[in-house]
Amino acid sequence: AQTVTQSQPEMSVQEAETVTLSCTYDTSESDYYLFWYKQPPSRQMILVIRQEAYKQQNATENRFSVNFQKAAKSFSLKISDSQLGDAAMYFCGGGGLNYGGSQGNLIFGKGTKLSVKP
Amino acid sequence: GAVVSQHPSWVICKSGTSVKIECRSLDFQATTMFWYRQFPKQSLMLMATSNEGSKATYEQGVEKDKFLINHASLTLSTLTVTSAHPEDSSFYICSAQPGQGHSPLHFGNGTRLTVT
Repeated sequence: AQTVTQSQPEMSVQEAETVTLSCTYDTSESDYYLFWYKQPPSRQMILVIRQEAYKQQNATENRFSVNFQKAAKSFSLKISDSQLGDAAMYFCGGGGLNYGGSQGNLIFGKGTKLSVKP
Repeated sequence: GAVVSQHPSWVICKSGTSVKIECRSLDFQATTMFWYRQFPKQSLMLMATSNEGSKATYEQGVEKDKFLINHASLTLSTLTVTSAHPEDSSFYICSAQPGQGHSPLHFGNGTRLTVT
């Protein structure tokens, strides 16, 4: 089965602090990619960061970085220097996780609601 | 760049009527677009893959005759909810991929459908 699991339904962080959101996935494919999307109250899906499975180096985008553990099928998101605007639902997921599926066929986890306290 | 426009952003309709939602790629061509459904406080669930010039591919459990998808051009896909019922009320989001392979997907702003 192709699944993406986010075990933390809700998380909270103090402004300027660091928080890590967890994600695990399951696939038997070798050519896939992983991502984190952010969905604020506006419900617009915003790509936060993505990682190609073949790359060993962890992806980084400014304050956002991932810890990609391929063998463990783990893909956590670290947000440094948290800001009020980071408050949103965060969805972990992947493309190409399905056998025979297109790379654009994305599978999402159930999401983690992140609150940022001032 | 890579903007996806979805229209309308919200719509209210009566039971038994049909509603059409448009998804346009404004500055790129997309041979494939995707339609998702999101219930309150839940994740996005893929409904179907829209293929330009051919039939859409529906996910298991999604009624083809109820959710009609047409991808008539490289920049437009439409989702028509036919004979809508209150249980069809949901948030529908489309996405499109500017290139092939692992190029990022870009999402529309979504459409909130309420069926009364």
